[in-house]
Amino acid sequence: KAGVTQTPRYLIKTRGQQVTLSCSPISGHRSVSWYQQTPGQGLQFLFEYFSETQRNKGNFPGRFSGRQFSNSRSEMNVSTLELGDSALYLCASSPLAGGVYEQYFGPGTRLTVT
Amino acid sequence: KQEVTQIPAALSVPEGENLVLNCSFTDSAIYNLQWFRQDPGKGLTSLLLIQSSQREQTSGRLNASLDKSSGRSTLYIAASQPGDSATYLCAVPGNAGGTSYGKLTFGQGTILTVHP
Repeated sequence: KAGVTQTPRYLIKTRGQQVTLSCSPISGHRSVSWYQQTPGQGLQFLFEYFSETQRNKGNFPGRFSGRQFSNSRSEMNVSTLELGDSALYLCASSPLAGGVYEQYFGPGTRLTVT
Repeated sequence: KQEVTQIPAALSVPEGENLVLNCSFTDSAIYNLQWFRQDPGKGLTSLLLIQSSQREQTSGRLNASLDKSSGRSTLYIAASQPGDSATYLCAVPGNAGGTSYGKLTFGQGTILTVHP
């Protein structure tokens, strides 16, 4: 089976712009979670989607949003980018409800905001 | 609120040594605990998932133990190799019925360097 894929792998944006990141889970997996990783804060949970519904959300401002499609692919959007949004964004998939089952991570999208 | 701590923050050992990485968590009501490996700039690779009902889980040279009552897990790496150099992270999920269900809480990681 193919692993979790994320596109694009690298992205450079300017403050104030918006960005959309994409995640394709492992075939058959229905849960997708997103995490932000920075040197100072480590890995922080953004949100989790299951069957097109957001089940859980982390402590991030409303500029961070996401959605999941009927084929379980997920996108996250960050509007009005700030310098502090520079990070590695990781998505993870699991067969059913995330957390109870093993989670598999993608390679990440490296976002740089200038 | 679940908090996960990993000790030590960094570890440098010569090739061939056996080593232990530690992970502790504050809320013992967990479903499982997962150990990951991360190479610089890359995603996370799942190493071991140990269920709350298990005491140990093994994969090759890796052995993870879990003591829920004391809120601790250890990852034992036998006969370390330079290719084991990476950051090792442990993570626990939230609990069913709680608002944190589906969320993994990670430790800050242990940076391991194995030199030839």
